[in-house]
Order: sequence, then structure tokens, then C-alpha cells
Amino acid sequence: DQQVKQNSPSLSVQEGRISILNCDYTNSMFDYFLWYKKYPAEGPTFLISISSIKDKNEDGRFTVFLNKSAKHLSLHIVPSQPGDSAVYFCAASGSGSRLTFGEGTQLTVNP
Amino acid sequence: DGGITQSPKYLFRKEGQNVTLSCEQNLNHDAMYWYRQDPGQGLRLIYYSQIVNDFQKGDIAEGYSVSREKKESFPLTVTSAQKNPTAFYLCASSIRGLATNNEQFFGPGTRLTVL
Repeated sequence: DQQVKQNSPSLSVQEGRISILNCDYTNSMFDYFLWYKKYPAEGPTFLISISSIKDKNEDGRFTVFLNKSAKHLSLHIVPSQPGDSAVYFCAASGSGSRLTFGEGTQLTVNP
Repeated sequence: DGGITQSPKYLFRKEGQNVTLSCEQNLNHDAMYWYRQDPGQGLRLIYYSQIVNDFQKGDIAEGYSVSREKKESFPLTVTSAQKNPTAFYLCASSIRGLATNNEQFFGPGTRLTVL
């Protein structure tokens, strides 16, 4: 039972354009969402998070949007840079529960 | 520098042997976790520990064992009972255990290959 799904295994964008990574969840008890970035052979690093009481959180080039009615969140990267090329995982948790991760999306930003 | 260390970076094991992966943190975090990553499957939770001398099974605990004798250490043993042990293993920690707003910090990972 995959409670957090990232349906796009890969995404390719041009440098300077917007990257949009999507994530869907099924568990209505989830109330905190995170995005992690992972380079090959390294551990994931925390990128940005959002609580269910918000619908948007912004940090520099990164913005996460949450649509609770659709159980959908997205990560926008503007402008995209070649160094953003990595695997991006979304994760979700609810009170008293551990983090559940999606499968990841490989983002490639072409110069 | 505060952080999480995992050793070794690469590990090779013969089929039928047990092997222990090290994870140490100096962040003074209460909770620690072990995940494995396989291509196209994201991160799957093996075991977690919310406090010293206590741990719980995750989603794929079969063939693995852990201990939490010290706050800063959470070693993972991959036993010969694990049917498909070749994977990338990640250790993580968080300030508290199961709670909302609970960001996990990850170590650099150990690549285990069974020959």
C-alpha cells in the first residue's frame, strides 16, 4: 500500500526554466510534508517542508504547494540550475507516525 | 561538526555471512532510523529507535537486527536470513521520535554488495 506516490520517475528541464515535481498521498492523517534532495551515493538532505495548516511555503528558489482536498503537493524550483540535478523525494507524516517516502523523481537540468 | 557518520562507505560480503553496518550521531537526537534504498522504490524503513534500549520494526525488518545501547549509536546487522541484502543503506536521526514537524537528518549511506 503506497501511501505516498511520485508518479514521474524522471523529469528533464532546461536551465533557467521552472521545474515542477509532483507528489500524491492517500492518508488523510498526514499533516506534515517534506521534500528531500539526494545525489548519487549520498544521503538525502532536507530541502523544504510544509504543514497542513498552510498551502504554500517558499524558501529562495524553492516553493512547495499543498492542496489538501486533492491530497497533492508539488515542489517548484525557479529558476532551475544544473546543480539541482538530483533525485527528489517527498515524504509525509502524521501525529505519532513515522515518515513515509515516495519513490523519488530524478530531475535533470540541462545547461 | 555535528552530523551522522556511517561506515564503511562500501561493503562486500559473501553470501551466508552476517555483517554489521555502523551508524553514529553527535546531534544529541533521541530517535534513529535505518532505511534501505533500492532503484525505483524510494526509502523503506527497516528499524527505528525512539529512545535508548528500545527499538521497533519498520516495514521490512525480516533478516535484520539492531541494538541501541547508546544514544549516539544504532548499528544494523544484516543477517544471512535477508534474502536480497544488496542495497544502499541509510541511517537517519531526529530530535524526537514519532511526532509531527520531525525532520530527519541522514548519514552518507553504506553500499552493501553480496557476492
